[in-house]
Amino acid sequence: SAVISQKPSRDICQRGTSLTIQCQVDSQVTMMFWYRQQPGQSLTLIATANQGSEATYESGFVIDKFPISRPNLTFSTLTVSNMSPEDSSIYLCSVEDPPGAGALNTEAFFGQGTRLTVV
Amino acid sequence: GQNIDQPTEMTATEGAIVQINCTYQTSGFNGLFWYQQHAGEAPTFLSYNVLDGLEEKGRFSSFLSRSKGYSYLLLKELQMKDSASYLCAQPRMDSSYKLIFGSGTRLLVRP
Repeated sequence: SAVISQKPSRDICQRGTSLTIQCQVDSQVTMMFWYRQQPGQSLTLIATANQGSEATYESGFVIDKFPISRPNLTFSTLTVSNMSPEDSSIYLCSVEDPPGAGALNTEAFFGQGTRLTVV
Repeated sequence: GQNIDQPTEMTATEGAIVQINCTYQTSGFNGLFWYQQHAGEAPTFLSYNVLDGLEEKGRFSSFLSRSKGYSYLLLKELQMKDSASYLCAQPRMDSSYKLIFGSGTRLLVRP
């Protein structure tokens, strides 16, 4: 199974500033995703980080607010820009690999998350 | 959109059995996942069902009925450490590698 290192694990930031979250995987993976988990809620997909091209954003999320980099197959960053208290959430990096021959399923692996508080 | 429904909260006693239900959208079905998430931590994979029936993994089992759009997670011999949120998830119809999560069921295990 993939091992994902995500940092920082938590941060408290001033409104109007930006924070960049890093996600490092111990093996090359095809698909990397960024999720947000607001307090008391489930996970919502922000975007797919594509290697060599722009990220693909879900409805309600835009590149100016959440710029993403994916320079190679083991690393990605998510920036939360011009933060407001509404951005206080847990941000999670996730990776999946397509199943190999004969395998029934993929499995999403998650980083330990970044708990962001904006004050 | 795809709707996944599961109860918000459940309470059970240490040593007992608890069943957490999940209903999901059946069109374009491509498997059903269960994840466990302890407070302040990342979700961890528990099970994946794509065929009907019950799959057992130690104290945890997962059941699927594709015709009914229904799944459940069965936890036996509950331990205090099982207190966590349990998330039901399915792949999106437009991309099987992107997951739609239910709101999660917060399970509290009491002594």
